[in-house]
Amino acid sequence: QQQVKQSPQSLIVQKGGISIINCAYENTAFDYFPWYQQFPGKGPALLIAIRPDVSEKKEGRFTISFNKSAKQFSLHIMDSQPGDSATYFCAASSSGNTPLVFGKGTRLSVIA
Amino acid sequence: EAGVAQSPRYKIIEKRQSVAFWCNPISGHATLYWYQQILGQGPKLLIQFQNNGVVDDSQLPKDRFSAERLKGVDSTLKIQPAKLEDSAVYLCASSPPGRESGIFGPGTRLTVT
Repeated sequence: QQQVKQSPQSLIVQKGGISIINCAYENTAFDYFPWYQQFPGKGPALLIAIRPDVSEKKEGRFTISFNKSAKQFSLHIMDSQPGDSATYFCAASSSGNTPLVFGKGTRLSVIA
Repeated sequence: EAGVAQSPRYKIIEKRQSVAFWCNPISGHATLYWYQQILGQGPKLLIQFQNNGVVDDSQLPKDRFSAERLKGVDSTLKIQPAKLEDSAVYLCASSPPGRESGIFGPGTRLTVT
């Protein structure tokens, strides 16, 4: 019930391409879904987050798509750049200051 | 604003030794988290503090791990005795009241040999 399943484990994308990372959850009490970006030697940094009352949220080149009925959400990185090469984690939590449950991460490599 | 500070950044110890990590959260952040991130995995919550009280420590291996947050500010996480499987990055995060996403520190990389 507490698990968040993330795929793929690793992803290689050409510069300028679209990177897509998917996550699925089971706990219907989850109502907050952030994505974190982590560079080597650094802590995770919040990238973008969505709540179930909207199906999509866009910030710059980053978009979250959310499918409540399928209990799935995904991160799309448009016009991927080498500087986007990092590990991306999806996460979920329920309201009331409960802690985040993280996926296992996706290592993204954007090649020129 | 200053970020979450953690020290040391790296630590190598032998199994059965003890180790302590320190975290200084962002000023005014009432909630403090300690996460364990094993190589190739996502962070896993160990303990959550609200001010100086424990909110959730259900995943903290209490036979060897302990944590405290004195005066609701700084926090220390201790492992005694360490096992090989404790090799991981220990991340501290903090958040202000009402915010669900914590701001993470750089972490402490622990290697147990």
